[in-house]
Amino acid sequence: GAVVSQHPSWVICKSGTSVKIECRSLDFQATTMFWYRQFPKQSLMLMATSNEGSKATYEQGVEKDKFLINHASLTLSTLTVTSAHPEDSSFYICSARDSYTDTQYFGPGTRLTVL
Amino acid sequence: TQLLEQSPQFLSIQEGENLTVYCNSSSVFSSLQWYRQEPGEGPVLLVTVVTGGEVKKLKRLTFQFGDARKDSSLHITAAQPGDTGLYLCAGTNTNAGKSTFGDGTTLTVKP
Repeated sequence: GAVVSQHPSWVICKSGTSVKIECRSLDFQATTMFWYRQFPKQSLMLMATSNEGSKATYEQGVEKDKFLINHASLTLSTLTVTSAHPEDSSFYICSARDSYTDTQYFGPGTRLTVL
Repeated sequence: TQLLEQSPQFLSIQEGENLTVYCNSSSVFSSLQWYRQEPGEGPVLLVTVVTGGEVKKLKRLTFQFGDARKDSSLHITAAQPGDTGLYLCAGTNTNAGKSTFGDGTTLTVKP
């Protein structure tokens, strides 16, 4: 199946710092990628849709200035959590959509802990 | 807004038992996906169903897409501890540009 990588797999940072998470589709091109946040034992909460070459579309309640998304190529999207606070601690998961099958393939996730 | 109701939310069974997870919506989807997720990992795609009434089998897992493409079910026969995980259904519409996820079913299979 299609492979999506995510880096880093986990990160611990101090409050007030910024953290960048990368999402790459390794064997297919993805004009659309998605960023999710997940709390323990809960489903995925869509944060934003990342479109290659254009601005991301954010879901209601998600601060675009806090969660910066860049989708500069057909295989890479990045999520930057700016001025992170402890309440931003969570499991962040990206997915890339295969435009031929409309199927989303997920990355392995990034565990963010803000001290 | 399209909603997907997934049930049950939690399920704890003994090894060898059968189970069914349901995914229901009032909306029609172009396709529907089922994923399985283990703690600390991303969801892994199990199957995509596209045609109304379609049935797909993956070893002990049977997936069905409703005739009207509004609902789906996942049936597991003779569950094993290795089936433990969070099962997610997701409905996709090409025009919407994104998928709608159910709330997930946490399955625990006890040996």
